[in-house]
Amino acid sequence: EVKLVESGGGLVQPGGSLRLSCATSGFTFTDYYMSWVRQPPGKALEWLGFIRNKANGYTTEYSASVKGRFTISRDNSQSILYLQMNTLRAEDSATYYCARDQLDGYYGWFAYWGQGTLVTVSA
Amino acid sequence: DIVMTQSHKFMSTSVGDRVSITCKASQDVSTAVAWYQQKPGQSPKLLIYSASYRYTGVPDRFTGSGSGTDFTFTISSVQAEDLAVYYCQQHYSTPPTFGAGTKLELK
Repeated sequence: EVKLVESGGGLVQPGGSLRLSCATSGFTFTDYYMSWVRQPPGKALEWLGFIRNKANGYTTEYSASVKGRFTISRDNSQSILYLQMNTLRAEDSATYYCARDQLDGYYGWFAYWGQGTLVTVSA
Repeated sequence: DIVMTQSHKFMSTSVGDRVSITCKASQDVSTAVAWYQQKPGQSPKLLIYSASYRYTGVPDRFTGSGSGTDFTFTISSVQAEDLAVYYCQQHYSTPPTFGAGTKLELK
């Protein structure tokens, strides 16, 4: 069974940093692109970026809204996905989801999502 | 970035009704559109990908259609458990982008 479990959310002050984790199981982690998607309370979903699979060198792509502030990485030995968030702003407050793409490439639709972790940026 | 526009933020329906939700892309995305259902406190659930392909285990009352810039998601006979927010998403190019959502409510 595929499982994605996020953790690391919480309350952080503006300008602060936070690292989110997504522990995965039930599939060969290195075969898949992995994405982060966020959703502010009561608002729509926003894709933040992905990290490619082993075959594509684990390189990353980001949305313009977080490029330069957020970094996606992966620990392939433990099948964990990370999102390092720096210089956080109030508008970064959201539930953050990790999501898995399809086997062996970028398809861009997500059949597997974690349960989400809430990040609140406030003084 | 490609903008996905769901023109109805809310739609009212009754159990047993047929309901269709529309989504328009700001440019041609071929058939690269997915539809998700999200209930309160839950993560999104994939229903349709590539405009018309029903994901594994999704009931056949859910269908998708369209190509180019105009897409439709239809529930043939609404059930009580279908009351949720529905999002379209283009997967034609990065960044993948989502519509604002359509909340399906009871009349």
